[in-house]
Amino acid sequence: QSALTQPASVSGSPGQSITISCTGTSNDVGNFKLVSWYQHHPDKAPKLMIYEDSQRPSGVSNRFSGSKSANTASLTISGLQAEDEAHYYCCSYAGGLTLIFGGGTKLTVL
Amino acid sequence: EVQLVESGGDSVQPGRSLRLSCAGSGFSFDDYAMHWVRQVPGKGLEWVSSITWNGLNIGYADSVKGRFTISRDNAKNSLFLQMNSLRTEDTALYYCIKDRLPTVPNAFDIWGQGTMVTVSS
Repeated sequence: QSALTQPASVSGSPGQSITISCTGTSNDVGNFKLVSWYQHHPDKAPKLMIYEDSQRPSGVSNRFSGSKSANTASLTISGLQAEDEAHYYCCSYAGGLTLIFGGGTKLTVL
Repeated sequence: EVQLVESGGDSVQPGRSLRLSCAGSGFSFDDYAMHWVRQVPGKGLEWVSSITWNGLNIGYADSVKGRFTISRDNAKNSLFLQMNSLRTEDTALYYCIKDRLPTVPNAFDIWGQGTMVTVSS
């Protein structure tokens, strides 16, 4: 159960777009349509932003989108806003009722 | 309002036991799988354990397998985590989480605020 690989940090200016990658294996990310993404602000509970690779829950801005190719999932945030500054985590189902998180990515809005 | 409230976190010595509880409200508790996820202060999120809606299917992270036991009481809208043989590396904020669906883990759509467990001599 090794963690999925995410960049430790990404940054962008307001209005720009950024993409956070999440790399796993053919046993997890590449084997199920069950990658989800979470936004985590300090001292708050994490928030679901994307589920089933690319689905957006109601109430989540359409500036957030998810995609996947082979063993790598991606979260793209367009039109960056100051409030988007947070940690982002990917998570994938890995079979046998087990899940695995990425190490997390700190997004800085310059 | 959909809500999850954890309790039971405490400061204990290595080797001791602790039982975490989570009370759900504002939704049909027995319609959803439930999970525990933890976060060591300053570190990332780590999945701990999951249980399907009926309690018949359960999964554990390798790091807690054989020491932790997840269970639920649907009649009381409650989720539990029995933690035995605690280690210093179990020190973390433990989140109780509701899934979007009842069976195969889909996504964590509602999170509690967490309960802190500190294991130290």
